[in-house]
Amino acid sequence: EVQLVETGGGLIQPGGSLRLSCAASGFTVGSNYMSWVRQAPGKGLEWVSVIYSGGTTYYTDSVKGRFAISRDNSKNTLYLQMNSLTAEDTAVYYCAREGVDTAGYFDLWGRGTLVTVSS
Amino acid sequence: QVVLTQSPSASASLGASVKLTCTLSSGHNNYAIAWHQLQSEKGPRYLMKLNGDGSHTKGDGIPDRFSGSSSGTERYLTISSLQSEDEADYYCQTWSTGIRVFGGGTKLTVL
Repeated sequence: EVQLVETGGGLIQPGGSLRLSCAASGFTVGSNYMSWVRQAPGKGLEWVSVIYSGGTTYYTDSVKGRFAISRDNSKNTLYLQMNSLTAEDTAVYYCAREGVDTAGYFDLWGRGTLVTVSS
Repeated sequence: QVVLTQSPSASASLGASVKLTCTLSSGHNNYAIAWHQLQSEKGPRYLMKLNGDGSHTKGDGIPDRFSGSSSGTERYLTISSLQSEDEADYYCQTWSTGIRVFGGGTKLTVL
């Protein structure tokens, strides 16, 4: 079955760090563009970061310098390392696969993992 | 930078049809978009990729009741024969090099 499963969310204090994982099955993470998207409480979807199949990475401005996207091809898993967390990072984080024909749109989503930043 | 604009809410009766609109910012009328559905307590669901000429490619298992069309900078999602499970938030999304952009979402209520 083709699917994405996120793990690693939880309650973390402001200033802390957390690493999210996204395990893929049914396809190869390293052969696709992969993104992280988040939804803060009561807000809409917000794109966070993308890693291209060639390894190039991009981030939305609010997380640049604090978050790092990466992958482990041997584990077929995508990661998001989040540092210097603030309350504004509280959200459900989704990983998403980008289209094979045209990268940029999300054709497969995970169910998400909740990150709560609070003291 | 491209901006996507959606109406915050829409409503239609069970069995009826509804047309949701996503408007691309000026100068971006040739951009393709994607439509996604976000139901309460579920992850997002990819519905379709919609090109500027109105051609679209739907995701696996998306019913024929869902269709897309385009006109200028407007991109549309039409849902016919509305069912209760169609009540959800609908997001349009586009992209360019190094950036992905979402519209603000439309909350669809099925009456």
